Formats: sequence, C-alpha cells, structure tokens
Amino acid sequence: ELKVEQNPLFLSMQEGKNYTIYCNYSTTSDRLYWYRQDPGKSLESLFVLLSNGAVKQEGRLMASLDTKARLSTLHITAAVHDLSATYFCAVEETSGSRLTFGEGTQLTVNP
Amino acid sequence: DTGVSQDPRHKITKRGQNVTFRCDPISEHNRLYWYRQTLGQGPEFLTYFQNEAQLEKSRLLSDRFSAERPKGSFSTLEIQRTEQGDSAMYLCASSSYREKFFGPGTRLTVL
Repeated sequence: ELKVEQNPLFLSMQEGKNYTIYCNYSTTSDRLYWYRQDPGKSLESLFVLLSNGAVKQEGRLMASLDTKARLSTLHITAAVHDLSATYFCAVEETSGSRLTFGEGTQLTVNP
Repeated sequence: DTGVSQDPRHKITKRGQNVTFRCDPISEHNRLYWYRQTLGQGPEFLTYFQNEAQLEKSRLLSDRFSAERPKGSFSTLEIQRTEQGDSAMYLCASSSYREKFFGPGTRLTVL
C-alpha cells in the first residue's frame, strides 16, 4: 500500500525567511502533485511533477522531484503572509489513477 | 465558469437519512474522482470513473455508499442511512491527462 509522508506537519515562519517542506513516498511513482488548501476551501493545484528531476517554479514556490529517492520538496523563498495555508503533496501510482495524499503541512507566515 | 462544480455546497442531515451529492466535471475531462476529507486530514480516495465506467472503489466505500456517472458527464454520490462518522467534506475532481482539478466540495454534517 502506498504511503505518503510529509514533514513538517506544522511550520511557523517569519516573513522573508526560506524553508523547505518534504514529501516522501513508499512505492515507485513518477507523478507527484502539490496542492494548496485555505481553511474551509477546496484544493488549488500548484504543481504537477511528471518525471525524475522535474523542477517547477511559480513565484516564491519551487517544487522538485527525485523519483529514485522517492522524495519531493516544496521550497519557499522569502515567505510572505499570503502563503499561509495547508500544503499537500499527492502521489499518483499510475497515470490517471487515484491520488494518495500526505497529511498536509500547515504553514503560518508571521509578519 | 469552466471549473468543476459541486452541489450542494453544504448539507445538514439527521442520522439515518439518505443524501445525494452531484458533481459536474470540466467538460472535456473523461476521468472523475470522489474523495472525502475530514478535519485536519488529507483527502482520502473513494472511487473514480473513466467515462461511465467505475474503475476503482476504495475499501472506505461501504455498502451504504454508491456512485454513478450514467452518461459519462456528471456524477452523483449517494450515502444511505447516514451516520455521524460520515460528516466530512466530499470533494470531486476531474482530470485531463496531466492534471487533476478539484471542485469546491460539499460539506456534510450528520446530526
């Protein structure tokens, strides 16, 4: 059974600082997704990583995928308050199949 | 609006009643997924369809749950004889080859 683990689960950081969220998964996959969720809202797609070594950047967020290490990272650069949310990684075992989600990382960016 | 839509957005029901939720996917997407999310957890997969065929059901989907996608367009998820443990956000997603987009969700409260 595929397991997806994120760490940290809770992250409190100051504006302007950098940090990385880690996502480990237990079986072979080369498709990984990152989503953002605001309280009481649905999931907003951030990144889709489709191959080993994939790197994508949007604004202050950058995601990467290492399929050999079964690891993805979400790096936050110079955090701002608007980035406060819960971030989920999700792994797709085969193309088009279900997503298995991590527990989520609740990020709070303090002024 | 061309995103995934769900109806109703909120549903309050008494234990033992039946409820039905509807999901309208993005029009050109042939895959449709249902997930359930409880407070503080990542979404859990329930079932998915490719066109009108239900291809996979989770062990979480007890006999009280049934999903249909009769013409390969919209989908319904019915819960019979609701229990308090069914209280959750029910999320629908639809998929192109690469990305999965989530709807706003239906929040179910069982009293």
